[in-house]
Amino acid sequence: KAGVTQTPRYLIKTRGQQVTLSCSPISGHRSVSWYQQTPGQGLQFLFEYFSETQRNKGNFPGRFSGRQFSNSRSEMNVSTLELGDSALYLCASRPRTGGPYNEQFFGPGTRLTVL
Amino acid sequence: TQLLEQSPQFLSIQEGENLTVYCNSSSVFSSLQWYRQEPGEGPVLLVTVVTGGEVKKLKRLTFQFGDARKDSSLHITAAQPGDTGLYLCAGANAGNNRKLIWGLGTSLAVNP
Repeated sequence: KAGVTQTPRYLIKTRGQQVTLSCSPISGHRSVSWYQQTPGQGLQFLFEYFSETQRNKGNFPGRFSGRQFSNSRSEMNVSTLELGDSALYLCASRPRTGGPYNEQFFGPGTRLTVL
Repeated sequence: TQLLEQSPQFLSIQEGENLTVYCNSSSVFSSLQWYRQEPGEGPVLLVTVVTGGEVKKLKRLTFQFGDARKDSSLHITAAQPGDTGLYLCAGANAGNNRKLIWGLGTSLAVNP
């Protein structure tokens, strides 16, 4: 079974630009979560989607948005990029939302650098 | 605000040594997960512990969940260079299992 895939793997943007990241979950998984990882803050939860609906949201500004398509693939968008948005963005999938343990299956991440 | 504190933050040891890393909180969790993240990759789930006092073994790795379900430890016996990586713990809140609370991780380097 193929794992979670994320594209692109690396991205360099300048302040003020916008960016779209893509995630394809494990086949059969319907829940997709997005995280931002930085050395100082660790993994910060952005949002979770299930059946094309946002089910949970972290404490990030409205510049961060996402969506999920009918095939469970997901995209996240960051508008008006700031230097502090430089991070590893991780996508994680699991079979369904809810469940007792919320175990995550992560992709390799997209390394975003904002200059 | 729930927090998970991991210690030590960094650890550099020689191949063959034993080590223990810790994950502590003042909050109770319904379950706790351990992940390992290698450079350039996403975290990979190692184990989930659920019951207070539970001990799980994965080859040379031993995971323990505290009796009160507020803390956990990971012990590695005879560490190997392949154990190198960032070890993360994540707690699931009994009231809201959809959102995990993450520690900052312990960065382990095992030198040959």
